[in-house]
Amino acid sequence: GQQVMQIPQYQHVQEGEDFTTYCNSSTTLSNIQWYKQRPGGHPVFLIQLVKSGEVKKQKRLTFQFGEAKKNSSLHITATQTTDVGTYFCLHSGTYKYIFGTGTRLKVLA
Amino acid sequence: DAGVTQSPTHLIKTRGQQVTLRCSPKSGHDTVSWYQQALGQGPQFIFQYYEEEERQRGNFPDRFSGHQFPNYSSELNVNALLLGDSALYLCASSPAGQDAYGYTFGSGTRLTVV
Repeated sequence: GQQVMQIPQYQHVQEGEDFTTYCNSSTTLSNIQWYKQRPGGHPVFLIQLVKSGEVKKQKRLTFQFGEAKKNSSLHITATQTTDVGTYFCLHSGTYKYIFGTGTRLKVLA
Repeated sequence: DAGVTQSPTHLIKTRGQQVTLRCSPKSGHDTVSWYQQALGQGPQFIFQYYEEEERQRGNFPDRFSGHQFPNYSSELNVNALLLGDSALYLCASSPAGQDAYGYTFGSGTRLTVV
C-alpha cells in the first residue's frame, strides 16, 4: 500500500540551529498536513498544504509542498527547547489517512 | 470550549478479552476518526465515522469495530485482544468537509494487553 516516509528518523540539534524534516511519497498527494507531538502527548495540527509548490510560514516554521506534490518539508529556523517533539506529516486522501513515519527532534540547550 | 475527550486514559487487559474505548468530539465537530499508535511509531488509521456510519477503514481486522452515537460521540471496540494490540489509541475529530483546519486529537487511551 501507499507509504509516506520521513527523513531523518531522529535529529539532535543545538539550540539556535536550524532543523528540517522531509516527507516523501511514491505517489502524488492531494494534500499534506503537518502535526507536532510532544513527548507523552498527542498530535497537534500545524498546517495543511494543497497547492503544488505552496510555501507557508508560521513564525519560525516554514512548510513547503513539492512541485510534483510527492514531497513536503518542514523547516524550523533557530530551534528552541520548546520545539522538542516528533513531527509527522499526514496525507488526508479519499478513503485513506496515512501518517508519515515521523521525525523525532531533540534540542540541546 | 472542550477539545476531544477520551476515556479511560489507561487500561490493562488480558489476552482474549474485549475492550471498549470512548471518545467525545470537540464541540461543533461531527466526524470522528480512530488511530492506533504503537510506541515510537506514527499513528495508523483504523476507521472514521460520520452520520453514525463507518465511512472509511484502514487495514485493521474485523476484531476492531466502532460506533457513533447521535450526539457524535464514538466508541472503539476491540475483541479477542492480542499482545500486539498494546498501543496508544487516539481519537480525532473534525467538522465534515473542512479538512483544511486539520484534525483535533484527544490525549488518547493507553491500552496494555498482558
